[in-house]
Amino acid sequence: LAKTTQPISMDSYEGQEVNITCSHNNIATNDYITWYQQFPSQGPRFIIQGYKTKVTNEVASLFIPADRKSSTLSLPRVSLSDTAVYYCLVGDGGNFNKFYFGSGTKLNVKP
Amino acid sequence: SQTIHQWPATLVQPVGSPLSLECTVEGTSNPNLYWYRQAAGRGLQLLFYSVGIGQISSEVPQNLSASRPQDRQFILSSKKLLLSDSGFYLCAWSVQGNTEAFFGQGTRLTVV
Repeated sequence: LAKTTQPISMDSYEGQEVNITCSHNNIATNDYITWYQQFPSQGPRFIIQGYKTKVTNEVASLFIPADRKSSTLSLPRVSLSDTAVYYCLVGDGGNFNKFYFGSGTKLNVKP
Repeated sequence: SQTIHQWPATLVQPVGSPLSLECTVEGTSNPNLYWYRQAAGRGLQLLFYSVGIGQISSEVPQNLSASRPQDRQFILSSKKLLLSDSGFYLCAWSVQGNTEAFFGQGTRLTVV
């Protein structure tokens, strides 16, 4: 099972681009990388998923280098409402039956 | 569309009392179902997951148990609660083979 490592917390200001990096040195060949967002007292919400290179949706972009040992979630022009905990998950060796969440990164967006 | 219902939203229980939290999913068949617990300021801990009726896998040994009596119903139980069982309990579902999980609104359990 690939373990993930993320910064515990990050601070940003409104309107800035935020990049949160996740390290997963032991990622398996068939593992996908998934990011979730969690607000206080709510369940996590899926943000984006990728396997390699770059993935973009209406909310964020995900950058994955060729060696796939890390990934970076990019949030463009954050607002106060983006203050949340962001989790990086790596698929369980192709078995998507289990989702393991680490401690996540607490993003604090300031005005 | 698919929805997940989890109740109650908050619960205060005395030590040694039983627990039953229920979760139901609508709009899908044969989902994977999960129970997570989140302690204050911590990440999510996977407690149980199920890939089908009557099929339960436990991730962490504890005084909790889970059951799946119907395809879209997942129940978390305890015979005797401990103080350490306090936390935010989340139910989730996913389509088998898919990496996206959908979470309920959670139950805030306080054991006193």
